[in-house]
Amino acid sequence: DAGVIQSPRHEVTEMGQEVTLRCKPISGHDYLFWYRQTMMRGLELLIYFNNNVPIDDSGMPEDRFSAKMPNASFSTLKIQPSEPRDSAVYFCASRASGTQYFGPGTRLLVL
Amino acid sequence: SQQGEEDPQALSIQEGENATMNCSYKTSINNLQWYRQNSGRGLVHLILIRSNEREKHSGRLRVTLDTSKKSSSLLITASRAADTASYFCATDANRGSRLTFGEGTQLTVNP
Repeated sequence: DAGVIQSPRHEVTEMGQEVTLRCKPISGHDYLFWYRQTMMRGLELLIYFNNNVPIDDSGMPEDRFSAKMPNASFSTLKIQPSEPRDSAVYFCASRASGTQYFGPGTRLLVL
Repeated sequence: SQQGEEDPQALSIQEGENATMNCSYKTSINNLQWYRQNSGRGLVHLILIRSNEREKHSGRLRVTLDTSKKSSSLLITASRAADTASYFCATDANRGSRLTFGEGTQLTVNP
């Protein structure tokens, strides 16, 4: 298995633009997590899904953030409109047997 | 303070020395996990210790758990330059399968 796949790996955009981050979890994993990591705030859980259903989105910072999981092999995290304070590394992780497997992350810079 | 706090925040040692990192948490847990993050990469799971376990080994890693003190330690023996990374503890308190990550310890192993 290729592990958790995220795209793009890097994204530079201007304030106000829509940003879509993508994640393909490991096949057979029934949980998917989206995290954001910054120097100031560390690793924050934004939202997670179980069997494609959002379970807890209390970490989503604002209505500008939305996440979907239309099927077991794909999830998106969308920011619309983006702001400079959204600059961070966004990780997707999937879970099996209590262990989370992280993707390589998407480094987002909003100018 | 948040669940899962690592101590120290940064540790610098010479190759061959042992490195010990500590983690404290606040609530009851099902298990505690340690993850490593190399610069610019996603987190990688190292080891999981259940609440009914006191010590666990994996290669050069030794993890202890003291549920009475709500603390855990990660020992890396005979460290190598390649062990240079950030190390995070994460607690599973059975809140819907989410993990709560600490702020991490930055370990630098000097050759």
